[in-house]
Amino acid sequence: AQTVTQSQPEMSVQEAETVTLSCTYDTSENNYYLFWYKQPPSRQMILVIRQEAYKQQNATENRFSVNFQKAAKSFSLKISDSQLGDTAMYFCAFMKGGTASKLTFGTGTRLQVTL
Amino acid sequence: GAVVSQHPSWVICKSGTSVKIECRSLDFQATTMFWYRQFPKQSLMLMATSNEGSKATYEQGVEKDKFLINHASLTLSTLTVTSAHPEDSSFYICSARDPGADSPLHFGNGTRLTVT
Repeated sequence: AQTVTQSQPEMSVQEAETVTLSCTYDTSENNYYLFWYKQPPSRQMILVIRQEAYKQQNATENRFSVNFQKAAKSFSLKISDSQLGDTAMYFCAFMKGGTASKLTFGTGTRLQVTL
Repeated sequence: GAVVSQHPSWVICKSGTSVKIECRSLDFQATTMFWYRQFPKQSLMLMATSNEGSKATYEQGVEKDKFLINHASLTLSTLTVTSAHPEDSSFYICSARDPGADSPLHFGNGTRLTVT
């Protein structure tokens, strides 16, 4: 079974600054995907970024980037130039490769962006 | 982009009654859908995997007779909470995956269930 661990229950960052959210996982699979989802107060799940395990290059999406360390089973999310709209719960998630695979979520990190 | 519609967005029911939640994939066919449950300030916990045309696969500890799942078509899965009790009050979210080889899961907007 896979496990996903987010060790930071809450984080705070000032607007325009950079913050890094941590995530580690445990698996014996070789083919898998990793995700960061954002859940604002509306509770809608919004995909922030995804990483395929077979890709060595770290994924980036505008202000969001990851540091994927496969050997260490680490998958941190860096948010640059933080904006007030980034305030949300952030969930790290693991999915085994395959079309019918489910997501396993970490416990989440609540990020507050302040003025 | 791919959209998953979940209905209703919120529902209040009396203890002992049953509630049905629908999850529809609007522009793709989903042979597999997933139902999650989220308690306040907690993570999403998978309840079951809904398979079109066959029985759902339930996670350990989830009562299949209480949480009935039906996936009768490639675009619709339903979750029925039977004989609801206040402890069933929660946020329920469905997700589906476009069967394209490299696509992520798409989530519905969730249903907030309150049992009084």
